[in-house]
Amino acid sequence: DIVMTQSPLSLPVIPGEPASISCRSSQSLLHSNGYNYLNWYLQKPGQSPQLLIYLGSIRASGVPDRFGGSGSGTDFTLKISKVEAEDVGVYYCMQGLQSPRTFGQGTKVDLK
Amino acid sequence: QITLKESGPTLVKPTQTLTLTCTFSGFSLNTHGVGMGWIRQPPGKALEWLALIYWDDDKRYSPSLKSRLTLTKDTSKSQLVLTMTDMDPVDTGNYFCAHYGSETETFDYWGRGALVTVSS
Repeated sequence: DIVMTQSPLSLPVIPGEPASISCRSSQSLLHSNGYNYLNWYLQKPGQSPQLLIYLGSIRASGVPDRFGGSGSGTDFTLKISKVEAEDVGVYYCMQGLQSPRTFGQGTKVDLK
Repeated sequence: QITLKESGPTLVKPTQTLTLTCTFSGFSLNTHGVGMGWIRQPPGKALEWLALIYWDDDKRYSPSLKSRLTLTKDTSKSQLVLTMTDMDPVDTGNYFCAHYGSETETFDYWGRGALVTVSS
């Protein structure tokens, strides 16, 4: 199984400031088609997860452009250019290269 | 507009079989590249992938749970059914069904989840 490791696990943020979360995979997620099969989700309190970024860097429909995904191979980053209060919740990375699909442990983002 | 809704028992006893139904709309499971999956989340813990079924009926299961899981799709009713045998208290959690997109190649729409408690 591909192991996904996120850091930090807790991230206090200040509205208006940038924030970033790291995700590392135990195997390369780069497919021969050139895409990295790495996704980012946000689970807001009391809600189901929502897709933010797919295939490493593509924003899902309706996702604000303050969210950006980058990285390749085994190292990936989710960046929020200017955090807003509505961005609090738990962020998960998930690899989609092979089954079993695996998630990171989650990074809890809350307001400082 | 894609929607998914999970339904099933909220309480099951240890050793019993859990049957969850996901009723969906806004897409067809017969469309090339489309799939559906199940993901669960124990209280206060991380997400755990359980299973995935593709449009061509190809099925993938979590290796650690494979012997206990079965996916069945009923395209005429727009439903996906997950059965999990031999339930244990550690299986307590929120069970989500999700749409797997042909463009995103991941779970891009999720249901609200079904909370299942395993207790005698």
